[in-house]
Amino acid sequence: GDSVTQMEGPVTLSEEACLTINCTYTATGYPSLFWYVQYPGEGLQLLLKATKADDKGSNKGFEATYRKETTSFHLEKGSVQVSDSAVYFCALKSNFGNEKLTFGTGTRLTIIP
Amino acid sequence: DSGVTQTPKHLITATGQRVTLRCSPRSGDLSVYWYQQSLDQGLQFLIQYYNGEERAKGNILERFSAQQFPDLHSELNLSSLELGDSALYFCASSVGASGLFTDTQYFGPGTRLTVL
Repeated sequence: GDSVTQMEGPVTLSEEACLTINCTYTATGYPSLFWYVQYPGEGLQLLLKATKADDKGSNKGFEATYRKETTSFHLEKGSVQVSDSAVYFCALKSNFGNEKLTFGTGTRLTIIP
Repeated sequence: DSGVTQTPKHLITATGQRVTLRCSPRSGDLSVYWYQQSLDQGLQFLIQYYNGEERAKGNILERFSAQQFPDLHSELNLSSLELGDSALYFCASSVGASGLFTDTQYFGPGTRLTVL
């Protein structure tokens, strides 16, 4: 079945450091890929998405590129801020019938000033 | 604010009891999804309803059931509760009233269930 493997956390970085959170997936066909973010005490918010190979999703300085050859969708940001501290989830939605999201385990990111 | 609302925000109950969680989707969305987030299982899909009909089922226990009403709000019923049912339960919605399918699911703030 579909699965998402996400970089284990927690990750702690200093403000203005570069961020990469790795995400790889296993799925049939061409799934849509997502990054969701969960701030402390809140629900999940869509951060960015990509629906086909080589698409780049971007939002709030975060980027991720859909790489079919490596089945990856790594999240990157050039300069993180304290306000980026949250848990980040990589997810996929298969394009074969079922519309459910399959999530990775989440990566807790803490940015220190 | 995603536009998806969930009530209650917190729920504390005892083993063996039954509870009902409520979700109102974004205006115009026809699909509602339920997910469970627990420490040991992570985020797992439970069930999806589309325009009042069950559309897909995931890892939902037989003690759990859901429905979607004509006004499109949904309820998740959890019965014979066990300690292991303690989790954060999220509702998400998608699909505009125009019938165009979209990949994006918008999540509510969740209901935190604690079973003592």
